[in-house]
Amino acid sequence: NAGVTQTPKFQVLKTGQSMTLQCAQDMNHEYMSWYRQDPGMGLRLIHYSVGAGITDQGEVPNGYNVSRSTTEDFPLRLLSAAPSQTSVYFCASMRSLSDGYTFGSGTRLTVV
Amino acid sequence: SQQGEEDPQALSIQEGENATMNCSYKTSINNLQWYRQNSGRGLVHLILIRSNEREKHSGRLRVTLDTSKKSSSLLITASRAADTASYFCATVTNSGYALNFGKGTSLLVTP
Repeated sequence: NAGVTQTPKFQVLKTGQSMTLQCAQDMNHEYMSWYRQDPGMGLRLIHYSVGAGITDQGEVPNGYNVSRSTTEDFPLRLLSAAPSQTSVYFCASMRSLSDGYTFGSGTRLTVV
Repeated sequence: SQQGEEDPQALSIQEGENATMNCSYKTSINNLQWYRQNSGRGLVHLILIRSNEREKHSGRLRVTLDTSKKSSSLLITASRAADTASYFCATVTNSGYALNFGKGTSLLVTP
């Protein structure tokens, strides 16, 4: 099993550009989440999903969209990148509430 | 806003010593989890404690939970240099499924 795979690992965007951060898991987990990690801020929840076709907003959803068309994939879309979205983004998945989350290795995004 | 707050923010100890980190949270929870993050890496799940549990062990890790005080502690016994990392507590509330993280404790274990 590959676990949670995030691509790309690094990305530089210009202000106003759009892009999609990819997240895929091969563990048949229903629960998936996106977080951003900024220095001194810990991890903050952007969006999460409890299954295919179901998504919900987290603490900092503005500027981001998600969809969950399959159990395996949970892409995060930046609509119009801003310097404030410079961060490290983590995707995570979980089988059930009795388990912990498995995290991907992250995408380091810089918006210039 | 973030649910948990770890204390201390940074901790420096020598190999062989015990390390204790504390976490406080704000609302009722389903469970509380601890994660480790090595520099530049993703987070690794360490241990999960349910709201009806008071203590849990896993190897050199001991976690306690006091729901009346809305607090938890993580004890790492006989620390090793390889334990150097940031440690985060995260809660899952009764009404949600995602994790609410604290800002973490940075642990440095020197040989």
